[in-house]
Amino acid sequence: GAGVSQSPRYKVAKRGQDVALRCDPISGHVSLFWYQQALGQGPEFLTYFQNEAQLDKSGLPSDRFFAERPEGSVSTLKIQRTQQEDSAVYLCASSLGLHEQFFGPGTRLTVL
Amino acid sequence: AQTVTQSQPEMSVQEAETVTLSCTYDTSESDYYLFWYKQPPSRQMILVIRQEAYKQQNATENRFSVNFQKAAKSFSLKISDSQLGDAAMYFCAYRSQPNSGGSNYKLTFGKGTLLTVNP
Repeated sequence: GAGVSQSPRYKVAKRGQDVALRCDPISGHVSLFWYQQALGQGPEFLTYFQNEAQLDKSGLPSDRFFAERPEGSVSTLKIQRTQQEDSAVYLCASSLGLHEQFFGPGTRLTVL
Repeated sequence: AQTVTQSQPEMSVQEAETVTLSCTYDTSESDYYLFWYKQPPSRQMILVIRQEAYKQQNATENRFSVNFQKAAKSFSLKISDSQLGDAAMYFCAYRSQPNSGGSNYKLTFGKGTLLTVNP
């Protein structure tokens, strides 16, 4: 069975550009999470969806970050007017609620 | 807010030997979950082992076991008979008991311990 997939795997953006990162969760998983992992650090929570509802967005670092999951499956994390400090690996995870979170391979974003 | 501390940035172990990775956490909650995740180089993060705080018995998964000391807020991971494939970054993580609103599912991670296995 397919795991969590993310695309693109690598993204290079010029400062000020907008980027969109996609996450395809495991089929049937109602919970979806986005985490940001800076170099040499542990992942940090960004936002959480239960189906299409965004129940927690307390970790989004600024209003330049926006996430959606309109049909309760695929999710997109959008970053507007990217800054160098946005450079990180963005991890997506999905789960069946209380159970184990399964992580995707991540998207490595580099902002020049 | 909960915090997770991993005080060992790097550890090394000889193949077939045993190694223990340390983790401490801070919380005011009485019911929660603790996890160890493994992140191999350029590969996906996978769950190694988990512990429910209400369970006194330490979790065990094959060569991996934990020493959970609730009063001391300590949660160490022991890897026995270390193998070359165990080389990775290991993260300790905390999760609250979900509340009625459906939030609190997020994981709070430590900074990680890079484990090297020497042949």
